[in-house]
Amino acid sequence: DIQMTQSPSSLSASVGDRVTITCRPSQSINNYLNWYQQRPGKAPKVLIYAASSLQSGVPSRFSGTGSGTDFTLTISDLQPEDSATYYCQQSYTTPSFGGGTKVEIK
Amino acid sequence: QVQLQESGPGLVKPSGTLSLTCAVSGDSISSNKWWTWVRQSPGKGLEWIGEIYHSGSSNYNPSLKSRVTISIDKSKNQFSLNLSSLTAADTAIYYCARKNYDGGRDVDIWGQGTLVTVSS
Repeated sequence: DIQMTQSPSSLSASVGDRVTITCRPSQSINNYLNWYQQRPGKAPKVLIYAASSLQSGVPSRFSGTGSGTDFTLTISDLQPEDSATYYCQQSYTTPSFGGGTKVEIK
Repeated sequence: QVQLQESGPGLVKPSGTLSLTCAVSGDSISSNKWWTWVRQSPGKGLEWIGEIYHSGSSNYNPSLKSRVTISIDKSKNQFSLNLSSLTAADTAIYYCARKNYDGGRDVDIWGQGTLVTVSS
């Protein structure tokens, strides 16, 4: 099984800030890394697929980089509606999720 | 647009079996997608349960594999989850979802989720 280590587990930032979330799989997964946003009481929603491709309809302030064992989700110009929990997920083998990062707006 | 809707009992007894169905609309269950179940325990993270392709090929989370069966009904355009030997730890919101076969193999469509409580 591939373990996904996500950090930080939570963060608090101000509107307009740049926020970075890191995801590290326990082995190389090429670029089979996806990022999801989950707002309270809602189903997750894909933001980034294949490490760096922006899902249709997702604001361009979201971006993803990385390959192998080191991946990053960046939210530039943080907005109030970005308050949510973010999960990484590997799809290289049997899928698995990171533990999540809760983003709060100060 | 593509929609997925879970249905099934919201309360099941310990040691029993959970059975959920996911009705798919706006897409064919025989399309080039994996049909997937994911769960989320209250206040916790996401846990992938398993997936099935229209050919019948399936993959399961190793930690749940001995208790899980996912099946597909092409005539009704739906797929189902059975999880046996339930304990309180299986209490969760269960989501059905659609996963892309290629590209990022991401889960691009989710149902709204259904809460299943395991309790006597």
